[in-house]
Amino acid sequence: GAVVSQHPSRVICKSGTSVKIECRSLDFQATTMFWYRQFPKQSLMLMATSNEGSKATYEQGVEKDKFLINHASLTLSTLTVTSAHPEDSSFYICSAVRTHANNEQFFGPGTRLTVL
Amino acid sequence: AQSVTQLDSQVPVFEEAPVELRCNYSSSVSVYLFWYVQYPNQGLQLLLKYLSGSTLVKGINGFEAEFNKSQTSFHLRKPSVHISDTAEYFCAVSGDTGTASKLTFGTGTRLQVTL
Repeated sequence: GAVVSQHPSRVICKSGTSVKIECRSLDFQATTMFWYRQFPKQSLMLMATSNEGSKATYEQGVEKDKFLINHASLTLSTLTVTSAHPEDSSFYICSAVRTHANNEQFFGPGTRLTVL
Repeated sequence: AQSVTQLDSQVPVFEEAPVELRCNYSSSVSVYLFWYVQYPNQGLQLLLKYLSGSTLVKGINGFEAEFNKSQTSFHLRKPSVHISDTAEYFCAVSGDTGTASKLTFGTGTRLQVTL
């Protein structure tokens, strides 16, 4: 149990286009999901906290208009990178917190975004 | 505010040898501590966690960690490593603020196991 999927696993896009990444909790409900980005050989940096039915909370320095987060259901959160540029190329990882569980986050397999 | 320090960016070790990956944290509140493993181009998998109770925590794949409050440490150990343990290991901390607390990660330690 507690499986989190991400789609797509890899995406290559042209500069200026928008890319949507989906994060799904497959066998549990998640009131809260987190979005991280990871640069090569570096740690995970929290971008935002996604709460079902409400606006996401963004970390300092993360542009909310560039990284749009929607958490429309208890099993799905989406991250849309708008007007992507090469510096947005990164590994994006989501995690989901199982409702009524004690703080444990379950991580998705990640999405590799490359912006040309 | 919380922070996590993983002093060793890389740890080379021979197969079947013991290993310790160091993690120190700082926090002004009670903490939950975690160790995650990341294989190339994959997400994170939980190895073990400390929430409360016994300070010696046993996890998956033969790993264990000991919470030491006085030294603010949570070092990860394994008595005999395998080639398959080669991966990136992250220590993380979250505060005692209820459900869905944010995780703060260390910079990671690359464990390289060789024959």
